[in-house]
Amino acid sequence: GNSVTQMEGPVTLSEEAFLTINCTYTATGYPSLFWYVQYPGEGLQLLLKATKADDKGSNKGFEATYRKETTSFHLEKGSVQVSDSAVYFCALFSGGYNKLIFGAGTRLAVHP
Amino acid sequence: NAGVTQTPKFQVLKTGQSMTLQCAQDMNHNSMYWYRQDPGMGLRLIYYSASEGTTDKGEVPNGYNVSRLNKREFSLRLESAAPSQTSVYFCASSPKVIGEQYFGPGTRLTVT
Repeated sequence: GNSVTQMEGPVTLSEEAFLTINCTYTATGYPSLFWYVQYPGEGLQLLLKATKADDKGSNKGFEATYRKETTSFHLEKGSVQVSDSAVYFCALFSGGYNKLIFGAGTRLAVHP
Repeated sequence: NAGVTQTPKFQVLKTGQSMTLQCAQDMNHNSMYWYRQDPGMGLRLIYYSASEGTTDKGEVPNGYNVSRLNKREFSLRLESAAPSQTSVYFCASSPKVIGEQYFGPGTRLTVT
C-alpha cells in the first residue's frame, strides 16, 4: 500500500544554517505530494505541494522537488530561523475524498 | 472566520468512561476528518465524512464512532475509553482542492 517515510528527528540547527528533511514515498503511479508544518500547540498547516513529477513546491523560503526517479520529496531551506522550529510532515494524496497519508513527522529545533 | 474549532482542548478520562469530541468548521467545506497523533506515528485517519450525511472508516476506527450532524459539525465519540486511546486528536476539513486540509488546534486526551 501507499506509505511515506521521513528522516527521524529531532534535527537541531543553528540560525541561518541550511536545512534538509528527507522524505521518500511508496505509491502506485505519481501521487500529489505535500509538506505540512505543525507549530507548537497548533494544528497542521499546509506548507507547500507538488502535483506532478519534477514540480517544485515553494513557500516561506522552503522548497521541495518531486523526484519520481528516486520517489522523493525532500524539504529544503537555505537559511533557517528560530521561528521555523516546528514539526514537519510529508504527506501524499491517497485518492478518494481527499485522503492523505502522513509520514511520522520530523521535529526541527533552531537555536539562536 | 474561526476556521476549524475543537472542544475541549484537554480531557482526562478514566478507563470505561465515555465522551464526545466536538468539531466545527465555518469554511463551507464538504469533507471533514478525524485523526489521532501519536509519537513516532504521524497522523492516522480514524474516520472521515465526504459530505453531510455520510461517514466512512479510516485506518484506525476501532473504539470510535462519529456523527456528521450537519455540514459544519463532525463529532467523535469514545463509548468506553481505553488507555490505548490516549492521544492528541485533530479534526480537519477540506475544500475540493487535492491535498488541502485545514486543521483544528487539537484535543489532548489522557485515559487512565
